[in-house]
Amino acid sequence: NAGVMQNPRHLVRRRGQEARLRCSPMKGHSHVYWYRQLPEEGLKFMVYLQKENIIDESGMPKERFSAEFPKEGPSILRIQQVVRGDSAAYFCASSSGVPEAFFGQGTRLTVV
Amino acid sequence: AQSVTQLDSHVSVSEGTPVLLRCNYSSSYSPSLFWYVQHPNKGLQLLLKYTSAATLVKGINGFEAEFKKSETSFHLTKPSAHMSDAAEYFCVVSGGGLTGTASKLTFGTGTRLQVTL
Repeated sequence: NAGVMQNPRHLVRRRGQEARLRCSPMKGHSHVYWYRQLPEEGLKFMVYLQKENIIDESGMPKERFSAEFPKEGPSILRIQQVVRGDSAAYFCASSSGVPEAFFGQGTRLTVV
Repeated sequence: AQSVTQLDSHVSVSEGTPVLLRCNYSSSYSPSLFWYVQHPNKGLQLLLKYTSAATLVKGINGFEAEFKKSETSFHLTKPSAHMSDAAEYFCVVSGGGLTGTASKLTFGTGTRLQVTL
């Protein structure tokens, strides 16, 4: 049973470009969470999705950020018009509906 | 609302000595509590979890934690540290909604464990 898969592992974008981060949850998991980790900081909750629905987006910046988890395919975190402050590690986690969540290896976004 | 406070940002121990990483939580509901470990430039690995069963929880690599409701604490311990334990440790609380259902995880700020010879 493969774990949570995130790709790409590393992503470099120029300011103003779009960043698209993908997360495939563990088999059988329909709950996905996205977290952001800034250098030397803990993980900050961004959004919680359950197949085709956003359950909690209280941690998402109001502009430029969006997330989806379609019926088929991976969950996508999209950042439009990236700025240097978006540089961070973005982690995805999945669960089967119980509190325990399993994390992916993360995508390290660098904005130059 | 829920929150987690990790009382030490850095802990340094000698190899072979006990480890204590402290965590206090706040939750409006009966919480689920977790400890995750993150090695440099790696993802997060679940060490152990408390979900309203036994209050003393055993995890991987010899770690354990005790849930103390009266003290709202969930401290992580290990009898004897190993060099490979050097990493960042996060205390996490879940349960902003119904116990036993999925909800967002709230992370503490982390404790960096250093293990010296």
